[in-house]
Order: sequence, then C-alpha cells, then structure tokens
Amino acid sequence: AQSVTQLDSHVSVSEGTPVLLRCNYSSSYSPSLFWYVQHPNKGLQLLLKYTSAATLVKGINGFEAEFKKSETSFHLTKPSAHMSDAAEYFCVVSRYQAGTALIFGKGTTLSVSS
Amino acid sequence: NAGVTQTPKFRVLKTGQSMTLLCAQDMNHEYMYWYRQDPGMGLRLIHYSVGEGTTAKGEVPDGYNVSRLKKQNFLLGLESAAPSQTSVYFCASSRSQGLNTEAFFGQGTRLTVV
Repeated sequence: AQSVTQLDSHVSVSEGTPVLLRCNYSSSYSPSLFWYVQHPNKGLQLLLKYTSAATLVKGINGFEAEFKKSETSFHLTKPSAHMSDAAEYFCVVSRYQAGTALIFGKGTTLSVSS
Repeated sequence: NAGVTQTPKFRVLKTGQSMTLLCAQDMNHEYMYWYRQDPGMGLRLIHYSVGEGTTAKGEVPDGYNVSRLKKQNFLLGLESAAPSQTSVYFCASSRSQGLNTEAFFGQGTRLTVV
C-alpha cells in the first residue's frame, strides 16, 4: 500500500530564507511522487513530479525536490522564499491500483513573513 | 482551454436535501476522480472512474454516488446530505493509467450542510 507522511503541519520562514518541507513516503512499488500547491481559496497546481528519470527534480517557481530511496523521502526545497510562496503544500504518491488516483499527505501550511 | 470545470462553486444545503455536483473536462481524459478536502486531512478519494460508463469506490465513498455517462462529465451526488459532508470537493482528471501521469484539478466546490 502507498502512503505519504508530511512531517510538519506548519512551517514559518522569513522572506529570502530557505524553505524545507519534509515528506516521507511508503510504497510497495517504485513510486511516482508529486508536490502540489494550493493557494488560499484556489485549486491545486502541480509544482513538480518525480518520474525516476532523475533524483533531483526541478519544478516551477524555483522549487525542487530530491528523491532519496534509502531514506524514503521526497523533501521540497527552495533557496529563497518569496511572500507569494505562502500556501498549502501537498506531497502526493500515486496509488498503483485505481488508475492514477493520487494519495495525498495531510498538507503543510507555509507562512512567509517580511 | 478550460481544463476541469466544477459547478457550482458554492452551495448551502439543509440536512436531508440532495444535490449533484458536476465536473466537466475538455482534455479528453479517460480517468476522473472526486476528492473531498477537510482541514488537517489532505484530500481523500471519494469515487473515481477509469472510463465512460465505469465507476469505482475510493477511500470515503459512503453517502455519495457517482455517474459517468459521458466521457467528459463526472457527476457526484449526495442523496441525503449530512453535516459531516460539509467540505470542499475537488474533481480531477488524468490522461492515462501510467504512474507518472499527473492529475488536473478543478477549482473546487465549497459545500456547507446545515
């Protein structure tokens, strides 16, 4: 069975400082992993996805994530936070059964202060 | 390019009333999904469809029914609404069954049951 655990429900950073959002996964198969972002009262937007082509994945808006099989982790990082990065972030693993149904972590709320 | 469109965007129901949420996608995707989002819970899969005329249960199907009579539409029905069904509902679609395939989400429907 597949699952994801987001280790922090809330992360606060100052503008211009690095961002780290942590995610551990569990999967019986070689996983497909995603990070989605949801801005307040908006839908979900794909930030990046891991497809086994490369362990370091670059996404939109300067975000990237590194797949570490030995640690079963897929942490999301950004070198310098911007006020517009304040949102909720979801780590997601693809459910092997049921087509490409996605299993979501419980989310991490990122706050960015000036 | 509209992508995934959900109607309505907001709705208030009284306990025991029924309603149908409509999801329409214009990307010719085979797979469609209904999720609900609750605070601190992430998104949970209610029902999904792997093609026209097919439906299947997800993680939290009780109290909901779905239909996929046309490939582009996926309907979510509440026969007798309960306060526990107060939530934000998201529809999503994806192209194929490949593990690397991302899902595209609608903007959500905020439902309150009083």
